[in-house]
Amino acid sequence: SQQGEEDPQALSIQEGENATMNCSYKTSINNLQWYRQNSGRGLVHLILIRSNEREKHSGRLRVTLDTSKKSSSLLITASRAADTASYFCATGYYGNNRLAFGKGNQVVVIP
Amino acid sequence: DTEVTQTPKHLVMGMTNKKSLKCEQHMGHRAMYWYKQKAKKPPELMFVYSYEKLSINESVPSRFSPECPNSSLLNLHLHALQPEDSALYLCASSQEPTSGQRYEQYFGPGTRLTVT
Repeated sequence: SQQGEEDPQALSIQEGENATMNCSYKTSINNLQWYRQNSGRGLVHLILIRSNEREKHSGRLRVTLDTSKKSSSLLITASRAADTASYFCATGYYGNNRLAFGKGNQVVVIP
Repeated sequence: DTEVTQTPKHLVMGMTNKKSLKCEQHMGHRAMYWYKQKAKKPPELMFVYSYEKLSINESVPSRFSPECPNSSLLNLHLHALQPEDSALYLCASSQEPTSGQRYEQYFGPGTRLTVT
C-alpha cells in the first residue's frame, strides 16, 4: 500500500494567508519529507523530519510529525504567489532507498 | 553544485523507435533513481541504483532498460513503448543511506515523453 497519503486537496488562498496541508501514512517510517513541484517540473525538497522529531521549521515552513497518529502537517505562513505549486509528502523507510509519495496537494495563492 | 540535469527536456517517439533519456549529477551521490509521473499524480518509483548497481526494479516492463555507466550518469533506454508510457520521467539522486539515516532526494527537471 502507498505510504504518505495526504488528503488530496486543492487549496486556494489569498496572498499573506497561511496554508496547511496534511499527510497520513500506514507503517513505521525512518523519516517524512515534503517536496514542492511547480507545474510540470521537477520536485524540490523542502524539509525532512526524522521519526524521533516532532516539529521542524525552515523559513516560512513548519512541519509537525505525530508518529502515534501516523500523520504530519505542513504549514506555510504568509503565503506568496510563488508558493503556488503541488506539495507532496513522502515517507522514507528503514532498510532501503524507497520514498513513497502521497497523492499531493495543489495550492493556489491568489495575489 | 546541487543540480541534477536531464536531457532531453521533451521527447516525441513512435512505438517502434529506440531512444534514451540521460541524467547527470555532480554531487557525489551514490544513489540514483528513475521515476515516472503522470499528470496530477505523484511520482512512481521505477528503478534505484546504489553504487552503480541496480538495487530496486519496481516490476517495470522490459521495454524500459536502465543503465548506470558511472557514479555521475544514469540512462534510461526506451524501446517499443506504448502510448500509455507517455509521462514525465524524473531522475533523482541522494546520498547513500547509512545505518538508520535517510537523506533527501534531489530531482532533475524531468523529460516530458510523448509516445505516438
